[in-house]
Amino acid sequence: QSVLTQPPSVSGAPGQRVNISCSGSTSNIGASYDVHWYQQVPGAAPRFLISGNTNGPSGVPDRFSGAQSGTSASLAITGLQADDEAHYYCQSYDKSLRGWVFGGGTKLTVL
Amino acid sequence: QVQLQQSGPGLVKPSQTLSLTCAISGDSVSSHSAAWNWIRQSPSRGLEWLGGTYFRSKWFSDYAVSVKSRITISPDTSKNQFSLQLNSVTPEDTAVYYCARKREGRYGMDVWGQGTTVTVSS
Repeated sequence: QSVLTQPPSVSGAPGQRVNISCSGSTSNIGASYDVHWYQQVPGAAPRFLISGNTNGPSGVPDRFSGAQSGTSASLAITGLQADDEAHYYCQSYDKSLRGWVFGGGTKLTVL
Repeated sequence: QVQLQQSGPGLVKPSQTLSLTCAISGDSVSSHSAAWNWIRQSPSRGLEWLGGTYFRSKWFSDYAVSVKSRITISPDTSKNQFSLQLNSVTPEDTAVYYCARKREGRYGMDVWGQGTTVTVSS
């Protein structure tokens, strides 16, 4: 059972927009810690995408954007492309656990 | 650019110690603006942060509650690397282990090692 809760799967057609949610608590997201998002394709390490509502590192398309409010956060992907198909993970800091926590991951399928 | 290169055995016997090393290029383990972490991933536990080390006038190490009693993460400034030791392993510790850098500020873990699959089995 992960500390941060994500839907197991989402899907969308090419060109569409999808949102992936990440639900936490007052010990992590609700304590105003940034939520970081990662993309992972099979056989590879996670790739850092974006933090909070800031722009991601160079090389990450601006089709990826983040938002957070209260004890939840979300990752939006617009203009879906076939190579966006991957697992996506959220991460935040938890002050009660005194460490980094991850969501269980969401598998994005591009139809 | 910054790269992390992991090394260490892929098979460890139960009750023994798992040891992995992460060599850093393009940055310094002694950086005042980075922390150096170990994360593992398994089908049953998902992504799990194990701990990290960082230098801020002196060395600090933080560990996940789940492994705190049997983990050590330590820097090696002479080789610009850091290492993970996990004692008394069981088959539950079978996972892909990653090292990763976390920069200070509004950044996630932006550089990752290639991953090492570690199996705990006799």
